[in-house]
Amino acid sequence: NAGVMQNPRHLVRRRGQEARLRCSPMKGHSHVYWYRQLPEEGLKFMVYLQKENIIDESGMPKERFSAEFPKEGPSILRIQQVVRGDSAAYFCASSPPGSGGDYGYTFGSGTRLTVV
Amino acid sequence: KQEVTQIPAALSVPEGENLVLNCSFTDSAIYNLQWFRQDPGKGLTSLLLIQSSQREQTSGRLNASLDKSSGRSTLYIAASQPGDSATYLCAVIYTGTASKLTFGTGTRLQVTL
Repeated sequence: NAGVMQNPRHLVRRRGQEARLRCSPMKGHSHVYWYRQLPEEGLKFMVYLQKENIIDESGMPKERFSAEFPKEGPSILRIQQVVRGDSAAYFCASSPPGSGGDYGYTFGSGTRLTVV
Repeated sequence: KQEVTQIPAALSVPEGENLVLNCSFTDSAIYNLQWFRQDPGKGLTSLLLIQSSQREQTSGRLNASLDKSSGRSTLYIAASQPGDSATYLCAVIYTGTASKLTFGTGTRLQVTL
């Protein structure tokens, strides 16, 4: 039973390029959450998605960031026109349907984005 | 504002010592609290989950307690080992926040030989 899979593990982008981060939840999990960890800071919530629905995006920057979780395939976090301040570790977590966190969350290993 | 605070920020202990990590939260209306471990450059590993109705949870050498009225949780690690060296994160789901985790900034633990 594979855990939460994130890829790539490391991503280097030049300023102005687009970054696409992928997250495949655990088998049977239909809720996906994205968190960002800036250097020397704690993890901050970004967005909560269910299949084909964005439930809560209150932590997402208003511009350049978007997220989706299609009916088929992984969840994608997209950052357009990246800037140096986007350099961070991006973590994905998943949970079973309908749990509201009852069983806790399983996190992936993260994608470390470096903008040069 | 709903926040989570962890003290100390860093801790160094010799192998074999028992130790306590502290977590405090600003609002007692929590759904649950989860302790994680994060190794350098790695993801988060869930250690213990405490529901709001529970007082403590145990797993091996780890014991986590929850006191909602005082807004505190502690993670007790017995007989520490060098392999316990990592950053320990406390995260809370506040009631009515659509299952969002609010994280503390962590306690960086080093267990020395």
